[in-house]
Amino acid sequence: EAQVTQNPRYLITVTGKKLTVTCSQNMNHEYMSWYRQDPGLGLRQIYYSMNVEVTDKGDVPEGYKVSRKEKRNFPLILESPSPNQTSLYFCASRLSPLRWYEQYFGPGTRLTVT
Amino acid sequence: EDKVVQSPLSLVVHEGDTVTLNCSYEVTNFRSLLWYKQEKKAPTFLFMLTSSGIEKKSGRLSSILDKKELFSILNITATQTGDSAIYLCAVEGIIQGAQKLVFGQGTRLTINP
Repeated sequence: EAQVTQNPRYLITVTGKKLTVTCSQNMNHEYMSWYRQDPGLGLRQIYYSMNVEVTDKGDVPEGYKVSRKEKRNFPLILESPSPNQTSLYFCASRLSPLRWYEQYFGPGTRLTVT
Repeated sequence: EDKVVQSPLSLVVHEGDTVTLNCSYEVTNFRSLLWYKQEKKAPTFLFMLTSSGIEKKSGRLSSILDKKELFSILNITATQTGDSAIYLCAVEGIIQGAQKLVFGQGTRLTINP
C-alpha cells in the first residue's frame, strides 16, 4: 500500500530537549515536504526536499532542521524545541514538482512543547 | 505578499442544506488551485482547477474557478454529517523562482443531523 508514515504520532516534551520526527514513504517519490498546521493559519511549509541531499527552506524554517540521506526518509529535527513549536506536523511526498494533486500526506504528528 | 483567504472560517448547518465555501487568492504566477477535505487526520485531495469557468464535479461536491476575479467556490449540496470537516483551499504558484503551495486558513464545516 502506497503510504507516508510518521513517528511518533503524539509527543509531549519539554523546552530544549532535542527531538526527531521521522517520515518515510514507500513510493519512490523525489519530492518531500514538512508542514505545520496551526488553528487559523492553515498549513505552512517548513522545509522541502527535491531529492537526496537537496533540501531548501519553506516559509517557516526557523527552529527546524531536516536531512535527506535516503530517498525514502525525510526526518524533521528540532534541536531545541520551544512552546511556539507546539503544532500538528505533516510530512508529504509526491512524484514530481507539478503533481501537487498527487501529494500524499502522512497521518500527522501532534507535538506539545511545555 | 502571497496569500489565500477562505471564508467563512466556520459554518454550522443542518443535514440536507447546501453550502458554499469561498476561497480568494493573491499568488504570484498562478498555476492551479486545489481543494482538500481534512477530517481528523491528513488532508485528502478533492479537486484541482486550472481553467476559469470550468466546473469540476464529484457527486454532491462541485467547484469552479474565476481567474479574473481570483477566487474559487466549493459547493456541497444535500449535506450529510459525513461532510463535517475542515475544507482547505491551496494555490500553486511560482514564487521567487520556486513552485510553492500556499494554503488558506481552512473552513470548519459542521453538519448537524
